[in-house]
Amino acid sequence: QKEVEQNSGPLSVPEGAIASLNCTYSDRVSQSFFWYRQYSGKSPELIMSIYSNGDKEDGRFTAQLNKASQYVSLLIRDSQPSDSATYLCAVGGETSGSRLTFGEGTQLTVNP
Amino acid sequence: GAVVSQHPSRVICKSGTSVKIECRSLDFQATTMFWYRQFPKQSLMLMATSNEGSKATYEQGVEKDKFLINHASLTLSTLTVTSAHPEDSSFYICSASDRGPTDTQYFGPGTRLTVL
Repeated sequence: QKEVEQNSGPLSVPEGAIASLNCTYSDRVSQSFFWYRQYSGKSPELIMSIYSNGDKEDGRFTAQLNKASQYVSLLIRDSQPSDSATYLCAVGGETSGSRLTFGEGTQLTVNP
Repeated sequence: GAVVSQHPSRVICKSGTSVKIECRSLDFQATTMFWYRQFPKQSLMLMATSNEGSKATYEQGVEKDKFLINHASLTLSTLTVTSAHPEDSSFYICSASDRGPTDTQYFGPGTRLTVL
């Protein structure tokens, strides 16, 4: 079983729709959770971090965390073609400064 | 947000030569830096973790004598690919963490290495 699993892609949504990206993790002691966006040929860019159960909103992005279910998700509202990228879920360890474990990524395409 | 730079952004070298890649945290002190490699259409692969002033910790399967990492200061880490071969051609990305309350890793822009 992979340590961090993301819903298989590619995911295609029309412009203006809500894109939903999901991630599950296996290590129950994980304390920090991140979503990165990676455009083709570029390095990952942090878009959201979340540390406690519930929702965290930042503009069009909402991260949701449920530690009991070991589940973290990212919702993108009013999707734009510029949101087309690969989204990486990353999970930190029990202590500060520990390595991140990345999922394989979900490729999102927003169609105009 | 925190800024991490990498230099060079792109390098082409002949087989057998060594290549040094620099990773700098520009506006914060990075007690820990990470080096990743990414092949086309694949996810990030962690190569090693470096802490300022101590030896790097390499992931299983990564040759420490081939990929030399030095983290001499709180703002600079270097990765040297020694005796590079075509199979070392890849996208190398560093990240830096301030190990603060948010424990966030910030990525550099990456270095694309091509070994002829």
